[in-house]
Amino acid sequence: DAGITQSPRHKVTETGTPVTLRCHQTENHRYMYWYRQDPGHGLRLIHYSYGVKDTDKGEVSDGYSVSRSKTEDFLLTLESATSSQTSVYFCAISESGDRLKETQYFGPGTRLLVL
Amino acid sequence: AQKITQTQPGMFVQEKEAVTLDCTYDTSDPSYGLFWYKQPSSGEMIFLIYQGSYDQQNATEGRYSLNFQKARKSANLVISASQLGDSAMYFCAMREGRPGTALIFGKGTTLSVSS
Repeated sequence: DAGITQSPRHKVTETGTPVTLRCHQTENHRYMYWYRQDPGHGLRLIHYSYGVKDTDKGEVSDGYSVSRSKTEDFLLTLESATSSQTSVYFCAISESGDRLKETQYFGPGTRLLVL
Repeated sequence: AQKITQTQPGMFVQEKEAVTLDCTYDTSDPSYGLFWYKQPSSGEMIFLIYQGSYDQQNATEGRYSLNFQKARKSANLVISASQLGDSAMYFCAMREGRPGTALIFGKGTTLSVSS
């Protein structure tokens, strides 16, 4: 199994509070991604990173920011959580981005509930 | 417009039967990759199989095969000899263009296998 951990695994927070989710990998992979999964929507990309300090927006990036100061860590921050950000958040990694067939491996997910 | 369409919200099959999960995709990029993932009730995302747009043969991985019909833009997953452990949500996903880009997911199909 790919060495990907996410923390916390579960979180309940209140509207308006900042929340940071952490993704940590031990594979030294270059690419890291944050997705959210909601019923009826599948997985949608929030942000991704293609190297340290190199990030870009995905389909549903509004209300989220990311940072990657080390290869192994990719942080997702909800600046001011809203109920619409209640979701399951998945981190994924892929090795180098050199091959189209490169598989993305997923972390275990974080369940976030915003009250 | 939907890039990945999975039209079957739920499928039901008996053990040992084969089942086909449908996936159609939309892209104008000549270079793309198609992936299938399995998500059991425990929540993790498990990579199953990959098909590249230039691959001449349909991909196979054990009991999984991908019925790739490029002209029809379909990439159906075939599971032979279903097992109870195959009960899960299945997602079709596509990566288009350059390597390293994120996956675009369909909304998923829930497969239920009964004894």
